[in-house]
Amino acid sequence: GQNIDQPTEMTATEGAIVQINCTYQTSGFNGLFWYQQHAGEAPTFLSYNVLDGLEEKGRFSSFLSRSKGYSYLLLKELQMKDSASYLCAVRSGNTPLVFGKGTRLSVIA
Amino acid sequence: EAGVTQFPSHSVIEKGQTVTLRCDPISGHDNLYWYRRVMGKEIKFLLHFVKESKQDESGMPNNRFLAERTGGTYSTLKVQPAELEDSGVYFCASSQVFGSRSADTQYFGPGTRLTVL
Repeated sequence: GQNIDQPTEMTATEGAIVQINCTYQTSGFNGLFWYQQHAGEAPTFLSYNVLDGLEEKGRFSSFLSRSKGYSYLLLKELQMKDSASYLCAVRSGNTPLVFGKGTRLSVIA
Repeated sequence: EAGVTQFPSHSVIEKGQTVTLRCDPISGHDNLYWYRRVMGKEIKFLLHFVKESKQDESGMPNNRFLAERTGGTYSTLKVQPAELEDSGVYFCASSQVFGSRSADTQYFGPGTRLTVL
């Protein structure tokens, strides 16, 4: 089976940097996705990693280590609007996405 | 470009009634997925269409759930009869072309919040 773990909640200060970790166990790994979801809204695609290393996109970066079954999402220069749930999802082969429970991030002043 | 849309946004029904959820994917997307999030749990896969064909329905809970995508455009998910445990948020997602690295990103709709009383 597949198992994805991420912290339930995190709190960080406006302007700071926060790292949200995700560990996974799966066979036939074929990509890891991060989504952002504000309450009552659609999950919004943030990043995709299939090879080891860091993918940077503006204030957001995502890292993957396939050998360790580990990823993190790095958010820099935090803004209040970054308060949301962050979902880690893994694809194995051609199967649909398997999601973690999400990490609820609260950005405080 | 319009995103994935879902209707209704909320539905409250009584146990035993029927409800039909609708999803309109992004125009031109061949792949359409249904997911569900039950309170306190993670988003879980229900079903995958490629155009009008069911590619994978391994996540459908039981035969009270029926999904269709006639014509390969919009999709409906019918729950009949609804039970209490069917309550949750039903998400639809679409992606362009299966197997392509960037084009297989799934774009989600806002979901339908279903409450069964």
